[in-house]
Amino acid sequence: EPEVTQTPSHQVTQMGQEVILRCVPISNHLYFYWYRQILGQKVEFLVSFYNNEISEKSEIFDDQFSVERPDGSNFTLKIRSTKLEDSAMYFCASRGERNTEAFFGQGTRLTVV
Amino acid sequence: GDSVTQMEGPVTLSEEAFLTINCTYTATGYPSLFWYVQYPGEGLQLLLKATKADDKGSNKGFEATYRKETTSFHLEKGSVQVSDSAVYFCALSDPGGGATNKLIFGTGTLLAVQP
Repeated sequence: EPEVTQTPSHQVTQMGQEVILRCVPISNHLYFYWYRQILGQKVEFLVSFYNNEISEKSEIFDDQFSVERPDGSNFTLKIRSTKLEDSAMYFCASRGERNTEAFFGQGTRLTVV
Repeated sequence: GDSVTQMEGPVTLSEEAFLTINCTYTATGYPSLFWYVQYPGEGLQLLLKATKADDKGSNKGFEATYRKETTSFHLEKGSVQVSDSAVYFCALSDPGGGATNKLIFGTGTLLAVQP
């Protein structure tokens, strides 16, 4: 069964460092998302990506964040200069046609120390 | 804006007990509604969905009915098992859509089932 894969599963980084979280969405999907879940809190939308551009971003997704789909396969989230409050589980998701279900990856747990 | 409210947890039940987790929503249009489940140490998995009023989603003994009149999508199961212990998230798909169709999640409800 096709699935969304994310790497790494866990990343520890020092405050101020850049991190890149990687995702391989399901191959024929068109809509791509990043969500974040701070420990014990709700899952929050960060950004959506469609037709090679950001279609919507939340207030959380400030200038420190960027997304790319560099090769038609991977979908990456970059945090330019990490802060302690960026520590969270980051989920990638992809969707086919509109109004079909979103499939989520297993998540990357980011710990900023 | 659109939002989802679900009952606070944790919910602790004995095996074979009846489960209800309440979920209500606020949306300007006609959203699709979802329940996602997160087992310990795992990602989010779609449990069930309903795309229009009066639809009933069901899976693995869980069910939820899309009630437009009460803007609710309560999750129920007749007889829970220890293996159902997880966090359950109610969510809606942004009816404004556009090229986004993002999911808006509730806060999640932790279910703990004891043998």
